[in-house]
Amino acid sequence: AQSVTQLDSQVPVFEEAPVELRCNYSSSVSVYLFWYVQYPNQGLQLLLKYLSGSTLVKGINGFEAEFNKSQTSFHLRKPSVHISDTAEYFCAGDAGGTSYGKLTFGQGTILTVHP
Amino acid sequence: NAGVMQNPRHLVRRRGQEARLRCSPMKGHSHVYWYRQLPEEGLKFMVYLQKENIIDESGMPKERFSAEFPKEGPSILRIQQVVRGDSAAYFCASSPPGQQGLYEQYFGPGTRLTVT
Repeated sequence: AQSVTQLDSQVPVFEEAPVELRCNYSSSVSVYLFWYVQYPNQGLQLLLKYLSGSTLVKGINGFEAEFNKSQTSFHLRKPSVHISDTAEYFCAGDAGGTSYGKLTFGQGTILTVHP
Repeated sequence: NAGVMQNPRHLVRRRGQEARLRCSPMKGHSHVYWYRQLPEEGLKFMVYLQKENIIDESGMPKERFSAEFPKEGPSILRIQQVVRGDSAAYFCASSPPGQQGLYEQYFGPGTRLTVT
């Protein structure tokens, strides 16, 4: 079965500093990977997705992620964060095949940006 | 184009009552998914539906839970005889038709169920 692990439950960072949120996935099947952001009391918003092709994926709000097959990772990065980036971030995977659309989520990483 | 709508946003039920959660997908979307987020946990897949069909219900508890997506109207997640452990946020997502659409799930704001 597909599994997704987010290595940090909380990441505090100062405004304008770079940030990396780590995500690893199980490699048993071909995989499609996603990052979502959840602001308090709201639903999830898609930041970016990797389906195939270039391993560097650019998303909204200045975020990007790199698919690394050898390390089974899909870390999310932003070179300079803003206060408004404070939220919970979820990495998710879809094993494809008969699992189309069935996302497996990591436990989430709470990013807190301090002034 | 309105996003995915869920109602109610907050629902309080006593143990043993029924909970009915509604989800209206985005216009033109034909796939609906339900996820549950328990406290301190990530989202867990429950069920994937298309109009009048349950495609994958492998994440649904075997008892008390059911889901439907009728030809007309919203998708409904129904929990009978609720227990305290059902307290969670329930999220609905929808995606456009076609295979590529399966990888663009748009989430609603969720329904927060509290069982007292």
